[in-house]
Amino acid sequence: DAKTTQPNSMESNEEEPVHLPCNHSTISGTDYIHWYRQLPSQGPEYVIHGLTSNVNNRMASLAIAEDRKSSTLILHRATLRDAAVYYCILRDGAGNNRKLIWGLGTSLAVNP
Amino acid sequence: DGGITQSPKYLFRKEGQNVTLSCEQNLNHDAMYWYRQDPGQGLRLIYYSQIVNDFQKGDIAEGYSVSREKKESFPLTVTSAQKNPTAFYLCASSMGRRGSYEQYFGPGTRLTVT
Repeated sequence: DAKTTQPNSMESNEEEPVHLPCNHSTISGTDYIHWYRQLPSQGPEYVIHGLTSNVNNRMASLAIAEDRKSSTLILHRATLRDAAVYYCILRDGAGNNRKLIWGLGTSLAVNP
Repeated sequence: DGGITQSPKYLFRKEGQNVTLSCEQNLNHDAMYWYRQDPGQGLRLIYYSQIVNDFQKGDIAEGYSVSREKKESFPLTVTSAQKNPTAFYLCASSMGRRGSYEQYFGPGTRLTVT
């Protein structure tokens, strides 16, 4: 099963950009890269997802390496509300949900 | 407002009792999922359903059961056979089963069994 590797924790200052890395060296051609974030005692919140091309939405940007073995979630201007655990997961484009594997994520701290 | 509701937020049960966790969505999503999260851990998939009257086991289905009689509802029963039932349970839904669709999560139910 394809797994992802993320740093345990990262720290940023408010209003500065944040780059959250994710390695997925065993990604298959049909796997989509998804990012979610979770606040304590809450359900995860969808952030962004992509397949091959870089993606932008109102929350963040997703930069995907050309070989797709890594990706980076970019928060352009961190706010205190962005402090959360960020999960990078792979979802099979063919719909094989047995491959849904969530790691420990990256705990992001944002300093005022 | 469209979304996913889980009830109750906190649930306490005695060991040996079955307990059913509710999950309802009004997003008109076909696929629904149940996850379990233990302290400091990622999510683990218990069961998922891609259409009404159909569901599949995830990675840790033992001791759990589900039903999908209506598109909007996907209740999870934690049976007495589940050896370590105390956990945070999360329900999610997506438009379809494919990875091109994002998942939307409910607020979760924290189950404590003593």
